[in-house]
Amino acid sequence: DADVTQTPRNRITKTGKRIMLECSQTKGHDRMYWYRQDPGLGLRLIYYSFDVKDINKGEISDGYSVSRQAQAKFSLSLESAIPNQTALYFCATGGGLGDEQFFGPGTRLTVL
Amino acid sequence: GEDVEQSLFLSVREGDSSVINCTYTDSSSTYLYWYKQEPGAGLQLLTYIFSNMDMKQDQRLTVLLNKKDKHLSLRIADTQTGDSAIYFCAESRGSGNTPLVFGKGTRLSVIA
Repeated sequence: DADVTQTPRNRITKTGKRIMLECSQTKGHDRMYWYRQDPGLGLRLIYYSFDVKDINKGEISDGYSVSRQAQAKFSLSLESAIPNQTALYFCATGGGLGDEQFFGPGTRLTVL
Repeated sequence: GEDVEQSLFLSVREGDSSVINCTYTDSSSTYLYWYKQEPGAGLQLLTYIFSNMDMKQDQRLTVLLNKKDKHLSLRIADTQTGDSAIYFCAESRGSGNTPLVFGKGTRLSVIA
């Protein structure tokens, strides 16, 4: 079984809809992250959490919110999706050397 | 600058060596990482180097670290078509209590 799982893997939605992306991990790590990936822009950090009671904004948090329901679960919400939020979204956990991170397989989100 | 810099593209012939370069920003970074992203997949840790080392070798991979110039490189010997992917360097800044900072990724294309 994968250490970091993301659901759904693919989602197509319409402008204005609320969307939740979920992430679960079995690595027992305290740190969890949400990134988006766009061609030519690399990975950009949306939100991160260093433990269940800690939530921090990343580089591009506007239009997004998160919830850390448990050590193992970290969900990302788009309150009112817009087309420029079309991207590949990755969840990651951290807890190894330095801040070594382990990534989920990604969710491809398309906002029409 | 604040960014981790990488060239965006590299093309090599099968069997040749590939060298992917990265310039990072924080002279106190403790760990530096190379991640590989294959098409349609998440990022996987390829290798890492601790800041008190200047070289690390792991089978076909050689990582070189020049702390004075804040330059990191990844050499892949005998490059194969299966090495075609996007390679990200990342730095763990300072004490490791901040998220990794990723470069934008170098897309390696291997020509048969």
